[in-house]
Amino acid sequence: AQTVTQSQPEMSVQEAETVTLSCTYDTSESDYYLFWYKQPPSRQMILVIRQEAYKQQNATENRFSVNFQKAAKSFSLKISDSQLGDAAMYFCAYIKETSGSRLTFGEGTQLTVNP
Amino acid sequence: DAGVIQSPRHEVTEMGQEVTLRCKLISGHNSLFWYRQTMMRGLELLIYFNNNVPIDDSGMPEDRFSAKMPNASFSTLKIQPSEPRDSAVYFCASSPTTTGGIAFFGQGTRLTVV
Repeated sequence: AQTVTQSQPEMSVQEAETVTLSCTYDTSESDYYLFWYKQPPSRQMILVIRQEAYKQQNATENRFSVNFQKAAKSFSLKISDSQLGDAAMYFCAYIKETSGSRLTFGEGTQLTVNP
Repeated sequence: DAGVIQSPRHEVTEMGQEVTLRCKLISGHNSLFWYRQTMMRGLELLIYFNNNVPIDDSGMPEDRFSAKMPNASFSTLKIQPSEPRDSAVYFCASSPTTTGGIAFFGQGTRLTVV
């Protein structure tokens, strides 16, 4: 079974600084997708970034980028120039490429941004 | 499209009562996931459907929980009878096959069983 692990229950960063959130996963599949979702206090789950496993290039979305290490099964999220609005719970998630697959989430990392 | 719509947003009920949570998928989506979120257990997958068929219900905690997809755009999660430990935020999420697994979430239903 696929598992996703986030080993940092809490992280904090100063406004305008950079922070990296860690995620590891376990799978025997070669084709899959990885995601980072953000959940602010409003509790809405918001997609931050997606990575296709077959792509070697790391995905980026403005201030958000990932470090995808397929062999190590590692998928970290880097937030640059942190803003107060980035404060939220961040979830790492995995899904196989096969249609109708299970979407599995990690435990989450609570990010605090200090002014 | 209005996105994934869940109702109600908040539900307070007494122990022993039946509770029904509702979810309207985004048109054209064919996968549907129900999650439960608590402080203690995080985000748990309860059940998911593909093309209206339940694929994996191993996360459903007990027989008191049941989920259905009567059609391609709508799903219900029922708890009967409800217990205080069922108090949580329940999310549904849908995804189409073509977007590489991106799941779109509803805003959740906060259930409180007293």
